[in-house]
Amino acid sequence: AQSVTQLDSHVSVSEGTPVLLRCNYSSSYSPSLFWYVQHPNKGLQLLLKYTSAATLVKGINGFEAEFKKSETSFHLTKPSAHMSDAAEYFCVVTDNYGQNFVFGPGTRLSVLP
Amino acid sequence: NAGVTQTPKFRILKIGQSMTLQCTQDMNHNYMYWYRQDPGMGLKLIYYSVGAGITDKGEVPNGYNVSRSTTEDFPLRLELAAPSQTSVYFCASSRQGREQFFGPGTRLTVL
Repeated sequence: AQSVTQLDSHVSVSEGTPVLLRCNYSSSYSPSLFWYVQHPNKGLQLLLKYTSAATLVKGINGFEAEFKKSETSFHLTKPSAHMSDAAEYFCVVTDNYGQNFVFGPGTRLSVLP
Repeated sequence: NAGVTQTPKFRILKIGQSMTLQCTQDMNHNYMYWYRQDPGMGLKLIYYSVGAGITDKGEVPNGYNVSRSTTEDFPLRLELAAPSQTSVYFCASSRQGREQFFGPGTRLTVL
């Protein structure tokens, strides 16, 4: 069975400072991993994905994540937060069959001026 | 290319009423999914489909039904609405093992 843990339910940063959102996963298979962002009252948008190619994955809006198999982690980072980054972020894991996407509980990112 | 579309955007139902949430995708994806998202929570899988004519239960299927007669459409049926079904419903589609594309959601309130 697969599972996802997002270690922080809420992260608050100042504008211009780095962002770190943590995600740990458990999977019996070689996983595919994703980060999605959800702005208030909106649908989910894909930020980036890992599908067994390069372990450092770059996404949209300056976000990136590193797949670390030994630590079963897929943390999301951004060097400098922008006010528009304030949103809910979901880490997702699936197996290669794509039938079972498991969502983490989400991390709410607040960006302070 | 519209991606994943959902109708309606908003709906208020009375207890015991029924309704169908529509979902259509134009990306020729085999896989389609229905999720619900309760306030402040993550997404829970209701039903999914791996192709036309094939559907399967997710984590929270009780009170819902689905059908998949075409690749494009994956409607979700609520037969006897209950207050516990008040939620935001998201439809998604994907190719096998690839990222999901989400619709804008349907906000449902049952009173």
